Amino acid sequence: QVQLVQSGAEVKKPGASVKVSCKASGYTFTNYDMHWVRQAPGQRLEWMGWINAGNGDTKYSQMFQGRVTITRDTSASTVYMELSSLRYEDTAVYYCAREIDRAAGRWFDPWGQGTLVTVSS
Amino acid sequence: DIQMTQSPSSLSASVGDRVTITCRASQSISNYLNWYQQKPGKAPKLLIYAASSLQSGVPSRFSGSGSGTDFTLTISSLQPEDFATFYCQQSYSTPRTFGGGTKVEIK
Repeated sequence: QVQLVQSGAEVKKPGASVKVSCKASGYTFTNYDMHWVRQAPGQRLEWMGWINAGNGDTKYSQMFQGRVTITRDTSASTVYMELSSLRYEDTAVYYCAREIDRAAGRWFDPWGQGTLVTVSS
Repeated sequence: DIQMTQSPSSLSASVGDRVTITCRASQSISNYLNWYQQKPGKAPKLLIYAASSLQSGVPSRFSGSGSGTDFTLTISSLQPEDFATFYCQQSYSTPRTFGGGTKVEIK
C-alpha cells in the first residue's frame, strides 16, 4: 500500500537547522509532487512548500522563503525538508503529504505520520 | 493568497446528530476544495476531495457540497469515532491554504 514514513523527533537549539526525511513506498515516486505542511501546537495546518519528485522543481511559501529547502533522492524514493535558522516558534509537527493531481482536482493523500521538531535552548 | 474561513471553530454534538461545517474561500476556487479529519496525535486523513467526492473507505455518512466560494461538510449521523477536528483546504492555487479547523466534541 502507499505509505510515507518520516524520520524521528528532533530537538534543536535556536539558530540551528533541521532536516526531516520522508520515505515513500507503494507507488512510482517520480509521478507525484510531495508537499510539506506543519502544525504548531494548537494551530492550523500551514503549508510550507512542494517538490516535483520527477524533475526536482520546487516552490516555497513566502513565510519560509530563504529558510526552507526541499530536495529529493529518487534512488531512495525519499524527500527531505531542511529548515534553517530555527526559532522557538518553529516548534511544530512537520508532515509530508503526496499530492494527487487529476482532472477532478488536487488533494493530499496519504500523509506521513509527522515529525515533531522542538526548538529549545 | 486565498484565505479559508471555517465555521464554527468548535461544536458540541451527540451521537446520532446531523452536523454541518462550513468553509468559505476569499475568492472563487471552483471545486478545488478538500476536507480532512484529524484525531489527536495523528496525521490528517482525507475525507472528501474535489468538494463532493468521497474518498475510498470513508463512511457514506460524510458528504461534501459547494462550489465557488462556499462549501459544506455534513455528517448525517455522528458516530463516536467521528469526534475529531476537521479542516478544509483549497488546492486551486499555491500556496495551498487550510481553514482554521472545526473541533467536534461530545455533548
